[in-house]
Amino acid sequence: DADVTQTPRNRITKTGKRIMLECSQTKGHDRMYWYRQDPGLGLRLIYYSFDVKDINKGEISDGYSVSRQAQAKFSLSLESAIPNQTALYFCATSAEMSHNEQFFGPGTRLTVL
Amino acid sequence: GQNIDQPTEMTATEGAIVQINCTYQTSGFNGLFWYQQHAGEAPTFLSYNVLDGLEEKGRFSSFLSRSKGYSYLLLKELQMKDSASYLCAVRGPSNTGKLIFGQGTTLQVKP
Repeated sequence: DADVTQTPRNRITKTGKRIMLECSQTKGHDRMYWYRQDPGLGLRLIYYSFDVKDINKGEISDGYSVSRQAQAKFSLSLESAIPNQTALYFCATSAEMSHNEQFFGPGTRLTVL
Repeated sequence: GQNIDQPTEMTATEGAIVQINCTYQTSGFNGLFWYQQHAGEAPTFLSYNVLDGLEEKGRFSSFLSRSKGYSYLLLKELQMKDSASYLCAVRGPSNTGKLIFGQGTTLQVKP
């Protein structure tokens, strides 16, 4: 069974729609992250969370919001989707120790028309 | 500012050795990671360096020079399944676990 899961895996939506991407983990990690990946730009951090109710902005948080209501779940919302938010979105988790790597979910491919 | 540079693409032959370089300029340093990512899949962890020197793990090795802001990933005895993107990522000084990623190097292994 996958340790980090994301739903949906694929989503096509229209400009202006509200979209929520879900991430769940069974690794027991406190730290969770949301990234987007665009061709030629690599992975960029949107938001991250150290614990339940803890929310921190990453480098590209505009147009996004997140919620961490439980340790195992971290959701990403696009309140009003726009075409340049078309991207591959990854959730990741890590333990508190600084040398611990991040574990990534399988990704959600989002297309905004 | 924060900047991480990797070559965009590389090609190598099955059975050969390839070295993928990564240079970084960041406002702090608390470790460097290499990840492998096959097309359409999630990145998976390969290696971690925080001190200068070489870390070896099977066919893969990673080197770090903090004074030069430089790392490389060395892949030996290349296999077709090694065709993937290789992502260099630097962790900054604060205890947030945040990583800054380079754009990735797409490696194509040819027969």
